[in-house]
Amino acid sequence: GAGVSQSPRYKVAKRGQDVALRCDPISGHVSLFWYQQALGQGPEFLTYFQNEAQLDKSGLPSDRFFAERPEGSVSTLKIQRTQQEDSAVYLCASSLAGNGNTEAFFGQGTRLTVV
Amino acid sequence: DQQVKQNSPSLSVQEGRISILNCDYTNSMFDYFLWYKKYPAEGPTFLISISSIKDKNEDGRFTVFLNKSAKHLSLHIVPSQPGDSAVYFCAARDTGTYKYIFGTGTRLKVLA
Repeated sequence: GAGVSQSPRYKVAKRGQDVALRCDPISGHVSLFWYQQALGQGPEFLTYFQNEAQLDKSGLPSDRFFAERPEGSVSTLKIQRTQQEDSAVYLCASSLAGNGNTEAFFGQGTRLTVV
Repeated sequence: DQQVKQNSPSLSVQEGRISILNCDYTNSMFDYFLWYKKYPAEGPTFLISISSIKDKNEDGRFTVFLNKSAKHLSLHIVPSQPGDSAVYFCAARDTGTYKYIFGTGTRLKVLA
């Protein structure tokens, strides 16, 4: 596609429910990132993939968060047993190269509200 | 521990004048810096970047300056236009990790 696509745009989950957020990166982009943005804050790094390999998951806040990119294109961020503090906008970004100075292009994000 | 800081949460500028947005960082291992613009309900949009080997990069009305010794970068928008009104995020890349560290953003309002 022309840009990074994320779905759903909005998700309301009851506390304790599992959710899955999808990211379609720009075709051919090697790198894929997930970020979490709380209200009034900048995006905070969650995890990074280079193709299908998850090279960095240091930003995942707990073991309830899990991300995968099994075929090196589409990625899914799964949150199990959602809590109210998980409410945020989840941003996916992709970039062309696996290294070097290339900018990341962001999707519109998924706004997750846990009630 | 905020490694990238944008100390001005908001800025108002008259149309046609210069907008200067500032960003400070603490990690000397950052090697690549970017500015993103964000409109409400949209994801951040890449604006301009600069490598740590340069001190200036220009793209149309947008210029980014990097002062490595001061660990400071700034974004200049000249002339400012009402459509520039948005939240601007500074981001830095940590060498070898590929992840971007973002500041908390500065909301720019350009007054017509």
